[in-house]
Amino acid sequence: DQQVKQNSPSLSVQEGRISILNCDYTNSMFDYFLWYKKYPAEGPTFLISISSIKDKNEDGRFTVFLNKSAKHLSLHIVPSQPGDSAVYFCAANSGYALNFGKGTSLLVTP
Amino acid sequence: DTGVSQDPRHKITKRGQNVTFRCDPISEHNRLYWYRQTLGQGPEFLTYFQNEAQLEKSRLLSDRFSAERPKGSFSTLEIQRTEQGDSAMYLCASSPTAGPLEKTQYFGPGTRLLVL
Repeated sequence: DQQVKQNSPSLSVQEGRISILNCDYTNSMFDYFLWYKKYPAEGPTFLISISSIKDKNEDGRFTVFLNKSAKHLSLHIVPSQPGDSAVYFCAANSGYALNFGKGTSLLVTP
Repeated sequence: DTGVSQDPRHKITKRGQNVTFRCDPISEHNRLYWYRQTLGQGPEFLTYFQNEAQLEKSRLLSDRFSAERPKGSFSTLEIQRTEQGDSAMYLCASSPTAGPLEKTQYFGPGTRLLVL
């Protein structure tokens, strides 16, 4: 069963605009959440994370929001750049294993 | 560059052959993880080590899969009697055991396996 879900397989955004990627989870025991960016034929690259005791974490153009009551998190990228085009994975830590969603493919167009 | 490294990057083998992949973690990281990623899916956890101890292996896909980390540094993942369904990207990750980043895993570039 998929405990972490990314329901949008793809997203297209114009350069300079905001990209919002969404993620839902089912296991209330998850206490740490991460976003990874992945290019084809490469391993995932860590972007940003958030602990379950927080509701927001910001790092440059990237902000992650966590809504524990809704079991929902989102990644905001502002402003979006063409180099941001990649597959983005949401992951939740359950002690040692990361549980990943299926990813959202982001395309930022000039 | 002191990131996670994996070798080989690509492996093509025939069904029934054994294959072994190597992972070198970030040097100060005590924990090492193996994942598998198939097309259209996110990475799937397989096993992990803290130093040389394999603390979780119940999610290895079958008894054909085994992993070692004999000296607590590099690790190997072996697949015996490969099947076409084993074709995937095999990812290694590492993390520290303490500090603010202990729950963040850093991934290597992966080994792409194709079983013919």
